[in-house]
This record gives sequence, structure tokens and C-alpha cells, in this order.
Amino acid sequence: SQTIHQWPATLVQPVGSPLSLECTVEGTSNPNLYWYRQAAGRGLQLLFYSVGIGQISSEVPQNLSASRPQDRQFILSSKKLLLSDSGFYLCAWSVPASYAYEQYFGPGTRLTVT
Amino acid sequence: DQQVKQNSPSLSVQEGRISILNCDYTNSMFDYFLWYKKYPAEGPTFLISISSIKDKNEDGRFTVFLNKSAKHLSLHIVPSQPGDSAVYFCAATAYSGAGSYQLTFGKGTKLSVIP
Repeated sequence: SQTIHQWPATLVQPVGSPLSLECTVEGTSNPNLYWYRQAAGRGLQLLFYSVGIGQISSEVPQNLSASRPQDRQFILSSKKLLLSDSGFYLCAWSVPASYAYEQYFGPGTRLTVT
Repeated sequence: DQQVKQNSPSLSVQEGRISILNCDYTNSMFDYFLWYKKYPAEGPTFLISISSIKDKNEDGRFTVFLNKSAKHLSLHIVPSQPGDSAVYFCAATAYSGAGSYQLTFGKGTKLSVIP
């Protein structure tokens, strides 16, 4: 069966510090991968998605970036965090097929920027 | 511009009764709709979905209804149980190319089932 891991589970970082969140998927090959953010009192906002190694699509302009160095690894980064980057970050995967609508989420990372 | 709207931020229901969660959308290109359930500090879990070519899909206690002309869908939970207490997100999707679908989420409705 497929499993998705995210770490760290919680993170407290000062403004201006760098960020690196990691997501890995097991039990599937060539998944589509996604990064979402849930800010306080808001829904889930898609940040990035990837359909393959090195292929990243960005949905919103921000000071975050994403990379996919390996097939089942997805990394969310920032060079300098802003207060507005606080939130709950979720990684998700889906089957890369024209009929595969469902996305499956990891446990999330709670980021607090102070 | 919010393309998927869940206008009720919260809902309280007595155990054993029906819970009805509503969702409206504006984008007529959406062709598949999903409901996710989320507990605090956890990732959302997929619950049930419906294709735009159907008007009803059932899975145990959960039924999703789709009214395309009204651009409205609803999730019915019967009977409601205390373990159903969670935030429920409605999501809609359209094909974005290269085998990838993008989900657009509503803001969620917090369901509380009272024992």
C-alpha cells in the first residue's frame, strides 16, 4: 500500500530564516505530487504541483519554491521566511492517469514563523 | 475569486440524525467533485466523490448529491456519529494537462455531532 511521509511535524522559525520541508511517498512510482497550505481560518491553497522529476508548476507567487530531486521526493523551501508563511503545510500525491482524480494527503507540517 | 464555496463554517447535529453539508461552485469546467474529512493537526482523508455525469453516489452512511444546473453539491451523513465530528472540505477538479488534476477546495465546514 502507498504511504506518504512529511517532516518535520512541527516547526518554529524566526522571520528571515530559511525553510526546508520534505515529503516522500512509498509504494508507488511516478506519482503526481502537490504542496498545499492551510492558513488559519482558510481553506487549502495549492502552492506547487509536479508531474515528474524536475518538473514544478507554481500556482501562486510567493517567496516559496519547490523541488523534486527524486521520483518520490518533494521539497518545499524558502530562503527567507515571512510572518505570512505561517500555516499548515500539506503534501499530497495522486496517480498519474487521466482517470485519477483523488489526491491523498500526508500528515502535514505546522509552521509557525515568529 | 472563490470558485468553491462552503457557506456554513460550522454545523451541529444530534447523534443519530442526518448531517447535511453544502457546497456551491462557480466554474462550469469542474468535472469531478470530492469530499475530504480532516481532524485537527492531521492531513485530510478522502471520503467520497462524484463525477459530473452522475447526480448521486453512495458509500455506506455517506451520500453525495450533485445538482449541475444549480452548481451545488451536498454530503449527507446518516446516521451521524460522534466520530464524524471533523472539518469537511468540498473540492472540485478540472484536468490541468499531463495527467494532472488540480483540486480547488472550499474553506471547510466544521461538523460537531453531539452525543
